[in-house]
Amino acid sequence: AQSVTQLDSHVSVSEGTPVLLRCNYSSSYSPSLFWYVQHPNKGLQLLLKYTSAATLVKGINGFEAEFKKSETSFHLTKPSAHMSDAAEYFCVVRANYGGATNKLIFGTGTLLAVQP
Amino acid sequence: KAGVTQTPRYLIKTRGQQVTLSCSPISGHRSVSWYQQTPGQGLQFLFEYFSETQRNKGNFPGRFSGRQFSNSRSEMNVSTLELGDSALYLCASSSHFSDEQYFGPGTRLTVT
Repeated sequence: AQSVTQLDSHVSVSEGTPVLLRCNYSSSYSPSLFWYVQHPNKGLQLLLKYTSAATLVKGINGFEAEFKKSETSFHLTKPSAHMSDAAEYFCVVRANYGGATNKLIFGTGTLLAVQP
Repeated sequence: KAGVTQTPRYLIKTRGQQVTLSCSPISGHRSVSWYQQTPGQGLQFLFEYFSETQRNKGNFPGRFSGRQFSNSRSEMNVSTLELGDSALYLCASSSHFSDEQYFGPGTRLTVT
């Protein structure tokens, strides 16, 4: 069965400093991994996805993530935080039952605070 | 292209009542999934529909049901509401050719 573990429930950074949100995955298949962001009282927005084409994935708003199979990790990074990045971030894996499905399995989320 | 729309955005119901939530996917998308988000349980998968057929179902009681219409619009119904059903219900749609899912703004259900 697939699962993801987000290692930090809260991360606080200063504006202009790097962001690192950590995620480990578990999957017996080559996983499809995603990062989604949720701003307060809003739906989820797709930041980026990994589907085995390239291990370094670039997303929107300057975010990127690196897939490391040896470490079963898919950490999200951004070189310089902006106040507007304050939100909750979810690491997500698509379920794989051997059949067609779009079922997503979510991590518990990391709340990112950006201090001025 | 218009995004995923969900109606209503907010809903207050009392215990024992039933509720129907609606989701209109992005034009051309045939897959619709539903998720429940609560502070205690996080985001949990409810069910998934593709071309009017339920393709997958999460671990929720039978009080939770859904359907999809020929125009890909989907509804979910919760009968005999319980306080624990208070949550944000999110709908997502995707096309047949992509694994990217696009979420609507959600329906905030409060059960009193």
